[in-house]
Amino acid sequence: GEQVEQRPPHLSVREGDSAIIICTYTDSATAYFSWYKQEAGAGLQLLMSVLSNVDRKEEQGLTVLLNKKDKRLSLNLTAAHPGDSAVYFCAVRQGGRALIFGTGTTVSVSP
Amino acid sequence: GALVYQYPRRTICKSGTSMRMECQAVGFQATSVAWYRQSPQKTFELIALSTVNSAIKYEQNFTQEKFPISHPNLSFSSMTVLNAYLEDRGLYLCGARRDIANTEVFFGKGTRLTVV
Repeated sequence: GEQVEQRPPHLSVREGDSAIIICTYTDSATAYFSWYKQEAGAGLQLLMSVLSNVDRKEEQGLTVLLNKKDKRLSLNLTAAHPGDSAVYFCAVRQGGRALIFGTGTTVSVSP
Repeated sequence: GALVYQYPRRTICKSGTSMRMECQAVGFQATSVAWYRQSPQKTFELIALSTVNSAIKYEQNFTQEKFPISHPNLSFSSMTVLNAYLEDRGLYLCGARRDIANTEVFFGKGTRLTVV
């Protein structure tokens, strides 16, 4: 089945810096890609999703890049602020199947 | 809008007892519901995917005998953790989708299970 690797597991940045999180997946039939944020003690917040026909999407300080050839998905937080401190998960899916989550990245943004 | 409610939000059960949790879709028809477990400091493991009018598909390491799921209609699903032990503690999330196409999954806020 699908295997999703996510790195780095932990990321510390200063306010205003960028943070990049990368996921790699194994199944070329994967067609739906998403990023979620989990704040302390909370559930999941969908940040952004893209289909396989999209290479790049930007929204509100976030950039998602999809490289289907390398089976790699990335999330770039530009100009991070302390409110971005959370655990971030990528999640991917083929057609009718359930989302498979990456292993998570704990992002800490210091003032 | 589309919302998913899970209850209870938090629960404590004694080791060896069972706990039922529920997932309610509001504002849309949940054709498929996936149940996940997030153990402490871990990611979200897929337990099973339930699609109305189809068999429930359990992932490796999870069984119907341990985590029976009911998905009787397009707005409701429940899952029971039978004979819960310490390793079953964590946050249980349900994620519901309208159809099998590439559409958004709506997640509830989860049921946090503590086993004592």
